Amino acid sequence: GEDVEQSLFLSVREGDSSVINCTYTDSSSTYLYWYKQEPGAGLQLLTYIFSNMDMKQDQRLTVLLNKKDKHLSLRIADTQTGDSAIYFCAERLNGGSQGNLIFGKGTKLSVKP
Amino acid sequence: DAGVTQSPTHLIKTRGQQVTLRCSPKSGHDTVSWYQQALGQGPQFIFQYYEEEERQRGNFPDRFSGHQFPNYSSELNVNALLLGDSALYLCASSPHQRPTRNGYTFGSGTRLTVV
Repeated sequence: GEDVEQSLFLSVREGDSSVINCTYTDSSSTYLYWYKQEPGAGLQLLTYIFSNMDMKQDQRLTVLLNKKDKHLSLRIADTQTGDSAIYFCAERLNGGSQGNLIFGKGTKLSVKP
Repeated sequence: DAGVTQSPTHLIKTRGQQVTLRCSPKSGHDTVSWYQQALGQGPQFIFQYYEEEERQRGNFPDRFSGHQFPNYSSELNVNALLLGDSALYLCASSPHQRPTRNGYTFGSGTRLTVV
């Protein structure tokens, strides 16, 4: 079956690193994504990783992929109060011409000053 | 470059009514997908349109229907509204030609409240 699991809450202090974890079930997923959603807003793509990679770094963001364990993580270095939001992990399935995205329930990140 | 635009931003309807939500994709994108995001949940895939046809569908009843126009814009229609249809409805666009490593571009959504 298709399922994406995330822990629901994470609280960190400003300046610390945040690590948000995700597990997925479909081994045929091609791309895995991290989206950010601020209150009352839509989804903003933060970063993605292709399934044949195991790490990707983009400024303060580091994505790690363990394909064997179907585990994905997002590390945010030097977390700021502006990073407070809900973070969604999503897998893109291979089905159809485009495939659709399967999202987790989201991890609410709270950053304390 | 305008991203994905959705209208209206907020809507209140009564149970049993019908609603139409609208989406204009990002310039250069020809595929539109719709997602429903209930409060406290992740978005769930409703369906996807390309070349004015529904190409894929998620686990949603036939009360949910859609349309895509020649200019690639799209509508989502929901008939016989239920209280449980209250949610944020997100539109996402993407180019069809090859899988996009950049995922899908999402609009800000339409907040539908059914009373």
